[in-house]
Amino acid sequence: AQSVTQPDIHITVSEGASLELRCNYSYGATPYLFWYVQSPGQGLQLLLKYFSGDTLVQGIKGFEAEFKRSQSSFNLRKPSVHWSDAAEYFCAVRPSGGSYIPTFGRGTSLIVHP
Amino acid sequence: KAGVTQTPRYLIKTRGQQVTLSCSPISGHRSVSWYQQTPGQGLQFLFEYFSETQRNKGNFPGRFSGRQFSNSRSEMNVSTLELGDSALYLCASSLWGQGAANTEAFFGQGTRLTVV
Repeated sequence: AQSVTQPDIHITVSEGASLELRCNYSYGATPYLFWYVQSPGQGLQLLLKYFSGDTLVQGIKGFEAEFKRSQSSFNLRKPSVHWSDAAEYFCAVRPSGGSYIPTFGRGTSLIVHP
Repeated sequence: KAGVTQTPRYLIKTRGQQVTLSCSPISGHRSVSWYQQTPGQGLQFLFEYFSETQRNKGNFPGRFSGRQFSNSRSEMNVSTLELGDSALYLCASSLWGQGAANTEAFFGQGTRLTVV
């Protein structure tokens, strides 16, 4: 069965600083990979996704993520964080075959200091 | 284009009661998936419906059920509510369903269920 680990429960950064949120997955083949953001009281919004091809994926709001097969990782990055980026971030894995049931990480809460 | 609409936004129910939650997907989307989000367990997949048929089911007891109508609207039912069922229930719609390559799921704002 697949699993997703987001090792950081909380991350605090200063506005304007760079950001990297970590995501490691366990799956027998190359899965479909996603990053979502959730603001308080809201649903999830897709930031970016990886299905195949170029391992560096560009998303919305200036985010990018890099798929590294050798490390089973899909870390999310942003060069300069804005106060409005404060939210909960979820990494998700969906098998590329079989049941297609997605698995979500436990989330990383991003706190942005002015 | 309207997004995914979930009703109601908030619900308070008593243990032992049953509850029905509703999800209207984006127009043209045929797949609806349901998730439970709690602080303790995180986001967990409940089930997926596509063209009125349940295609996938997560690891939840039979008290959790759902259905999808011909217009793709979906309802989720929880019977004999327990305190542990208190959660944010999220619905997501997609054009082709989770098995299709390059498909994206769009989430609603969720229904916050509190069981007392």
